[in-house]
Amino acid sequence: EDQVTQSPEALRLQEGESSSLNCSYTVSGLRGLFWYRQDPGKGPEFLFTLYSAGEEKEKERLKATLTKKESFLHITAPKPEDSATYLCAVQAGNGNKLVFGAGTILRVKS
Amino acid sequence: DAGITQSPRHKVTETGTPVTLRCHQTENHRYMYWYRQDPGHGLRLIHYSYGVKDTDKGEVSDGYSVSRSKTEDFLLTLESATSSQTSVYFCAIRPGASTDTQYFGPGTRLTVL
Repeated sequence: EDQVTQSPEALRLQEGESSSLNCSYTVSGLRGLFWYRQDPGKGPEFLFTLYSAGEEKEKERLKATLTKKESFLHITAPKPEDSATYLCAVQAGNGNKLVFGAGTILRVKS
Repeated sequence: DAGITQSPRHKVTETGTPVTLRCHQTENHRYMYWYRQDPGHGLRLIHYSYGVKDTDKGEVSDGYSVSRSKTEDFLLTLESATSSQTSVYFCAIRPGASTDTQYFGPGTRLTVL
């Protein structure tokens, strides 16, 4: 059974304090790993797709990396507007389904 | 903005009543999905569609049915709502063979009393 575990469940950072969120997964034949951002009361917003171990993608203060067992979302010098829930999902098999982790709630204080 | 609207955005209903949620897209995408989101569980797939009248079950499909008679609309029906179906429901689309990425709508908050 495909599984995704995200840690920590919640993370509080001071503005400018860099950190990383973890997404560990077990899946039969990874087709893709996805990161989303979700603000309260809104739908998930797509951030990145990673397809193979060693791949990295960046967007502003965010950088996503992928190994054969886990992915990291690195947040460099975060700002309060980076506060959100970050979701990780994996896609396997025929590619029609995503399996999500429970998310990491990030709070950045000024 | 993925051109997805969901209606209603909020609904309160009573146990045993039927409920239909609507997902509408404007881009004629082939793939559409219904998820529910609950604290501690993340997003879980209920049903999905890969074309008009072509649908399949997800991991939490019991108590739900879907229909897709037009490309742009994907309906989720709770035949007889229960309190365990209180949740936030999200519709998503996947633009097609050129990408695996799913894009989500704004959600419907459903409360079953």
